[in-house]
Amino acid sequence: GAVVSQHPSWVICKSGTSVKIECRSLDFQATTMFWYRQFPKQSLMLMATSNEGSKATYEQGVEKDKFLINHASLTLSTLTVTSAHPEDSSFYICSARAGQGGGKAFFGQGTRLTVV
Amino acid sequence: EDQVTQSPEALRLQEGESSSLNCSYTVSGLRGLFWYRQDPGKGPEFLFTLYSAGEEKEKERLKATLTKKESFLHITAPKPEDSATYLCAVTQRGSNYKLTFGKGTLLTVNP
Repeated sequence: GAVVSQHPSWVICKSGTSVKIECRSLDFQATTMFWYRQFPKQSLMLMATSNEGSKATYEQGVEKDKFLINHASLTLSTLTVTSAHPEDSSFYICSARAGQGGGKAFFGQGTRLTVV
Repeated sequence: EDQVTQSPEALRLQEGESSSLNCSYTVSGLRGLFWYRQDPGKGPEFLFTLYSAGEEKEKERLKATLTKKESFLHITAPKPEDSATYLCAVTQRGSNYKLTFGKGTLLTVNP
């Protein structure tokens, strides 16, 4: 299957600082990338959808000024958590979808963010 | 409201004891139904995509089936390494391929 690389796999940051998470599709061009958040023993909650070269579409209740998403190329999307607070601590996962494949999306390894 | 419901929430099997996981959905304009496997602290790993009622797909000990209202993931003679959370998700037509996930079934296979 296609490979999606997410970096870092874990990060600890101080409250008030910003953290950037990268998501790369290694062997295909991702026309669409998705960012999810997952709390312990919960399912994945979609935060936003981004298409290369255009602004991300955020789900209801997700603060776009807090969670900045950039999809600058067909292989890279970034999520920046700005002015992080302890309640932002969570598992963040990206996925990428190629233009073909009927909607099949491949996921990164996830990033465990802990804000102290 | 569109929903994806998985059952049971947790399932404990003995090695070799076959069983099925259920995913029922109420979405309009289903484009596709997806099964993923997720290990603790990892991102989901793609297993299957099903597009139309009656479709079946197999991979090793896993077989996924789809009806107009639900999907089953059958696990035949499971092994301890099959232990994971199995997630079901759907996409709708016109949704930009957005996945709506169920809460998952935590499968534990004891040796």
